[in-house]
Amino acid sequence: DAGITQSPRHKVTETGTPVTLRCHQTENHRYMYWYRQDPGHGLRLIHYSYGVKDTDKGEVSDGYSVSRSKTEDFLLTLESATSSQTSVYFCAISEASSYNEQFFGPGTRLTVL
Amino acid sequence: AQKITQTQPGMFVQEKEAVTLDCTYDTSDQSYGLFWYKQPSSGEMIFLIYQGSYDEQNATEGRYSLNFQKARKSANLVISASQLGDSAMYFCAMREPLSNSGGYQKVTFGIGTKLQVIP
Repeated sequence: DAGITQSPRHKVTETGTPVTLRCHQTENHRYMYWYRQDPGHGLRLIHYSYGVKDTDKGEVSDGYSVSRSKTEDFLLTLESATSSQTSVYFCAISEASSYNEQFFGPGTRLTVL
Repeated sequence: AQKITQTQPGMFVQEKEAVTLDCTYDTSDQSYGLFWYKQPSSGEMIFLIYQGSYDEQNATEGRYSLNFQKARKSANLVISASQLGDSAMYFCAMREPLSNSGGYQKVTFGIGTKLQVIP
């Protein structure tokens, strides 16, 4: 199994509070991704990174920011959480953009009250 | 327009029988890839199988095979000899080039099909 961990695994927070989710990999893969999973929508890309300090927006990036200061860590921040951001968040990695497989972390369940 | 369409919200299959999960896709690119992932109730995403658009033969991985019909833009997953442990959500996904992205390939997921294997 690819070495990907996410922390925290579960979090409950209140509307308006900042939240940071962490993704850590031990595979030294270049590409890292943040997805959210919601019923009826599958997985949707929030942001991705193609190297240290190199990030770009995905299809549902509003309300989220990311940072990647080290190859192994990719942080997702909700500056001011809203109830619509209640979701399961998955981190994924791949060695190259033209990959044949994308490895996923275990997911973080976030509830915003 | 949806890039990946999975029209079966739920499917039932008898244990030891084969089942086909449908997936159609929409792209104008010549180079793309198609994936299937399994998500059991425990929540993790498990990679099952991959098919490249230029691959001439259908991909197979153990009991999983991908029925790739390029002209019809379909990439159905076939699970042979279903087992109780196959009960899960199954997601079809496609990667395709994203213009002006420096080579990044975007991945789009379908909404999934819930498969239940009946003893």
